[in-house]
Amino acid sequence: GAVVSQHPSRVICKSGTSVKIECRSLDFQATTMFWYRQFPKQSLMLMATSNEGSKATYEQGVEKDKFLINHASLTLSTLTVTSAHPEDSSFYICSASSVNEKLFFGSGTQLSVL
Amino acid sequence: EDKVVQSPLSLVVHEGDTVTLNCSYEVTNFRSLLWYKQEKKAPTFLFMLTSSGIEKKSGRLSSILDKKELFSILNITATQTGDSAVYLCAVDGVWAGNNRKLIWGLGTSLAVNP
Repeated sequence: GAVVSQHPSRVICKSGTSVKIECRSLDFQATTMFWYRQFPKQSLMLMATSNEGSKATYEQGVEKDKFLINHASLTLSTLTVTSAHPEDSSFYICSASSVNEKLFFGSGTQLSVL
Repeated sequence: EDKVVQSPLSLVVHEGDTVTLNCSYEVTNFRSLLWYKQEKKAPTFLFMLTSSGIEKKSGRLSSILDKKELFSILNITATQTGDSAVYLCAVDGVWAGNNRKLIWGLGTSLAVNP
């Protein structure tokens, strides 16, 4: 099956620093990538939809200046959490859409901001 | 308001039991309904349903969609402890500006006891 690689799997950083998370589709071209956030024992919360070559569409309540999304190619999207604070600590997951529109997920990134 | 509702939220069964998980939706511009299994990290894809009445099967798992009554069920027969997970339902649609979007249910937490 299709593979989506997400890196890093875990990051611990100090408050005020920025963290970049990468999401790559390894064996297919992903025209659309989605970024989610998940708190413990809760469902996935869509943060933004990223289409290759265009600006990401953010969900209501998600600060676009804080969560910078770049989808520069058909195989790579990045999420940068700028000036991270403890309340940004969460599990972030990306997913990519293949040509048959199935979604495949990355393995997730656990962010802990101290 | 678009929404996806899963039931039950939590279920505990014994090995060998058969379980039925429900997913109802109210979504405009429906394209497909997706089932995922989430264990410790990122969800893994189970089924994508687009047409009513056509059952999809994968081993002990099966799923069917009813687009008239706006729901889907996921059946697991002869459950095993390895089936213990959160099962997520999502509806894929097209919203304003031809943007693709997923709406997720809260999931059903299934625990299979030996």
